[in-house]
Amino acid sequence: DAGVIQSPRHEVTEMGQEVTLRCKPISGHDYLFWYRQTMMRGLELLIYFNNNVPIDDSGMPEDRFSAKMPNASFSTLKIQPSEPRDSAVYFCASSFQGLNTEAFFGQGTRLTVV
Amino acid sequence: GQSLEQPSEVTAVEGAIVQINCTYQTSGFYGLSWYQQHDGGAPTFLSYNALDGLEETGRFSSFLSRSDSYGYLLLQELQMKDSASYFCAVRDRGGTALIFGKGTTLSVSS
Repeated sequence: DAGVIQSPRHEVTEMGQEVTLRCKPISGHDYLFWYRQTMMRGLELLIYFNNNVPIDDSGMPEDRFSAKMPNASFSTLKIQPSEPRDSAVYFCASSFQGLNTEAFFGQGTRLTVV
Repeated sequence: GQSLEQPSEVTAVEGAIVQINCTYQTSGFYGLSWYQQHDGGAPTFLSYNALDGLEETGRFSSFLSRSDSYGYLLLQELQMKDSASYFCAVRDRGGTALIFGKGTTLSVSS
């Protein structure tokens, strides 16, 4: 398996624009997580899905953020409108059921909002 | 909620041993995990402790004391390639998603 695949790897956009980040989890994994990483706040959990259903979105910072998982092999994280403070590295991770299983992370999308 | 504390930076020389401590506060405990992240890379899994004691995997070991809400990662025979950030993590209240500490940046010098 190619691992968790995220696209794009880098995104530079202007404030106010819509940004869509994409993630393909590892085949067979039933959990998908979105994280945001910044120097100040570290790795923050934004939202996670189980079998394509959102379970906990309490980490989503504002209504400007939304996430979907239309099927088991694809998820999106959308920011509309984007703001400079949204600049961060966004990671997607997936795992297979169980409390002691590891999470596999994608390479991340580095988002810069100017 | 879940919270974790770990030192922000640690420095060491090649061949040395270093210990990275982690204390946590959780509502519900489902084990302590450790992840490594090299600059610009993805976090990768290192170890998991559900029960008290020491788990050894090659040069890396991880320890857990549930009564003290404390764990550590022990890195032996340090190599330059061990320079990275190390994160401890616990599960969320639902026992599923990982909640990470702020990370410890380890710098190994020759």
